[in-house]
Amino acid sequence: KQEVTQIPAALSVPEGENLVLNCSFTDSAIYNLQWFRQDPGKGLTSLLLIQSSQREQTSGRLNASLDKSSGRSTLYIAASQPGDSATYLCAVTVSNAGNMLTFGGGTRLMVKP
Amino acid sequence: DAGITQSPRHKVTETGTPVTLRCHQTENHRYMYWYRQDPGHGLRLIHYSYGVKDTDKGEVSDGYSVSRSKTEDFLLTLESATSSQTSVYFCAISEYAEAWVTEAFFGQGTRLTVV
Repeated sequence: KQEVTQIPAALSVPEGENLVLNCSFTDSAIYNLQWFRQDPGKGLTSLLLIQSSQREQTSGRLNASLDKSSGRSTLYIAASQPGDSATYLCAVTVSNAGNMLTFGGGTRLMVKP
Repeated sequence: DAGITQSPRHKVTETGTPVTLRCHQTENHRYMYWYRQDPGHGLRLIHYSYGVKDTDKGEVSDGYSVSRSKTEDFLLTLESATSSQTSVYFCAISEYAEAWVTEAFFGQGTRLTVV
């Protein structure tokens, strides 16, 4: 059974700092990995999708990398801002039978002004 | 934003009553999902659908049923609500962008309280 772990569970940083969020998964036979953002009381917003054949994806100040063989992904946030405060979730797709996502527990990020 | 609408957004119901949550999409995506989100457990899959009238169970399907009579609608029914089903329920959709690649999009969630 695929298990996804995110470390740290919570992170507080001053504004402007570059930071890295970690995601690990136990079964390397994945199709995709997605990073999401969730604001309190809201739904999930897709940030980045990495195909299993890719090593990284970039969107603005966000960069996600994938090392499938070691079962790891990182989300790099450059020059963090208070508006980046949210919970960040990673999820993997392990089968194309239903393309279901298995989620990590998330990292709650607070960026202080 | 992906066109996903969940209704109702909030509901309080009594133990033992049936409850139906609705997910409506305007994206014509083939796959639809129901997840629940609970503190300490994260997001867990309840049921999913891979086409009209084609559904299957997820990790936490006991006490829930689903139906999909049209591409755009996916209903989640709690047959007899229990306090353990108090949760936030999310609908998601996905479709193949290219071979083997799907991207999932989520609705805003339904907060259900069973008293």
